Amino acid sequence: DQQVKQNSPSLSVQEGRISILNCDYTNSMFDYFLWYKKYPAEGPTFLISISSIKDKNEDGRFTVFLNKSAKHLSLHIVPSQPGDSAVYFCAATNCGGAGSYQLTFGKGTKLSVIP
Amino acid sequence: DAGVIQSPRHEVTEMGQEVTLRCKPISGHNSLFWYRQTMMRGLELLIYFNNNVPIDDSGMPEDRFSAKMPNASFSTLKIQPSEPRDSAVYFCASSYENEQFFGPGTRLTVL
Repeated sequence: DQQVKQNSPSLSVQEGRISILNCDYTNSMFDYFLWYKKYPAEGPTFLISISSIKDKNEDGRFTVFLNKSAKHLSLHIVPSQPGDSAVYFCAATNCGGAGSYQLTFGKGTKLSVIP
Repeated sequence: DAGVIQSPRHEVTEMGQEVTLRCKPISGHNSLFWYRQTMMRGLELLIYFNNNVPIDDSGMPEDRFSAKMPNASFSTLKIQPSEPRDSAVYFCASSYENEQFFGPGTRLTVL
């Protein structure tokens, strides 16, 4: 049973527009969420995170929104740039619980930003 | 810091052979994770260590897989004997708290 789901395997967006990547989770014990970005032939790199005590976290062009009641988070990239083309993974964890620091990943969404 | 270092970057082997993947975590990190990425299953956690001690190996698919962490700066993932269905990219990651830092991965092909 997938506890973290990214239902869109791929997304295409025009350069300069907003990219919205979505993620749903089922485990109500998750209280910390992360987004990772992965280029081909490289390992995933940390992008941005959010704690469950917040509903929004912003870092430059990247903003993550968390809706705890819906068990849903999203990553907004604005404006999108061709260099943002990559696979984006959503991840979640339960801070302080058994298996602390163990992340559960979604399957990823491949973002293509078209020049 | 050089980041997480994995070797080899690519490995091609024949079914039945032993394969050993290596990882050097970032200095000062106390947790180390081994993942496998496939198209079908995405990024799966195989095993993780905290302070060199295996904490959860429930993701290890079979007894053919084993992992060790003899000290804070080195870990191995061994597959013996290897099978074609083990073909995947294997990532090692290390962390101090929640943010994990990944190595570049080892692409394993078992013929």
